[in-house]
Formats: sequence, C-alpha cells, structure tokens
Amino acid sequence: EAGVTQFPSHSVIEKGQTVTLRCDPISGHDNLYWYRRVMGKEIKFLLHFVKESKQDESGMPNNRFLAERTGGTYSTLKVQPAELEDSGVYFCASSQDGAGVNTEAFFGQGTRLTVV
Amino acid sequence: LAKTTQPISMDSYEGQEVNITCSHNNIATNDYITWYQQFPSQGPRFIIQGYKTKVTNEVASLFIPADRKSSTLSLPRVSLSDTAVYYCLVGAPYNFNKFYFGSGTKLNVKP
Repeated sequence: EAGVTQFPSHSVIEKGQTVTLRCDPISGHDNLYWYRRVMGKEIKFLLHFVKESKQDESGMPNNRFLAERTGGTYSTLKVQPAELEDSGVYFCASSQDGAGVNTEAFFGQGTRLTVV
Repeated sequence: LAKTTQPISMDSYEGQEVNITCSHNNIATNDYITWYQQFPSQGPRFIIQGYKTKVTNEVASLFIPADRKSSTLSLPRVSLSDTAVYYCLVGAPYNFNKFYFGSGTKLNVKP
C-alpha cells in the first residue's frame, strides 16, 4: 500500500514568487492534515481537511497560504507570495475517518521549502 | 492544546534499554498518549499509543502511571537505527489538529 506522498521533496524559490506543494494521502483516508516546521522550531498544525471540506484552518499563518483539496483526494498548499520566514519543512498527513483508539496519522516525507 | 515536556536529548549505546519520560500535567480525561518517531528527512511515524497502565507492541512499551501526568516510552535493546527524534503527543487519538509536538527528544545511539 502506498503511503502519503508529497511533491516536490525540495523547492527553492525567490522571495515574492509562488510555490505550490502537493500531497497525495493514503487512498481511502478522508482526513488530511498539513503541518510545518519553520527555522528549527517545533512542528505546528496548519490545516485539516475532511474529504474536500476544511474542518479546521486555525493554524494557517496568514492569507498568503491557500490550501485546497479538490474532490477529496490530493491536496495542494499554495504560498503566494512567498516570504523568507516561510522557509521550512511542510508535512502532510492522513488518517482514516472516524474516531477511535489507535487511529494514527500517516505522515509524508515532507517538502523542504527554501525562500531566498 | 495539552503541552508536553521531554528531555531535549539522550545518549545510549547499542543493546541498552532506553526510557524516555514525558510530562503532561494538563492531560484531559479523554486524552490518549501517543509517541511518534522521526528520522532525518522523513515525516513522523507512529510508534505506540496508550491511555493508562502499560501498553506493549513489537517495537516499544509505554508506561503510564495512575495519575497520567507523565508517561515513559521504553525501547528495548536499541540499535544504531533507533537514532531519531521521539515525540510525545497528548490528545484525543483522532484529533491530530490538536497535537502539540514540542521539541521532541533526540536519541543518539552509539556503537
């Protein structure tokens, strides 16, 4: 079974440019999460999708960040325009629907974003 | 968010048992304790989860005292490949948007 995959693995862009990160969750997982770790700080939650709906976007830092999940499958996270402080590693995770013990989140390998 | 406190780093040698303790004084009644492992250039990976007492799987054991204000991840006979960052997370097991990762514990296993 394929895990959570993220594209690209690394992106270097100039300040002011636009970057789009993609996440393909595990097939059948309704829940999709975006996290990020910036500048050596802790991993922080950004956004939670349930299928195509945004369930919780309380962690989105500002309106330069736009996340979508068309059709409830893969998700994209666009940063426009990118700023230096956006540099970091962006993680995507997915989990099955429903509450229950031992429900785990499966993480992708992350996209390392470097804004110069 | 239920915040957690862990040691920043730990050193061990191959073959030893490693115990990493996490403090979570503000744990709520419905919260579970979950540990994740992260290798460099990879995303976190689930290790073990528990609510109280002791949980054991093929990878680790998790010890949780009666007051649940702390927990201890036990890794038996570590190898070099166990060198990683270990995160203690507290929350409802399906509320991944509420998890506080903190700094984690960097475990360095030496030969």
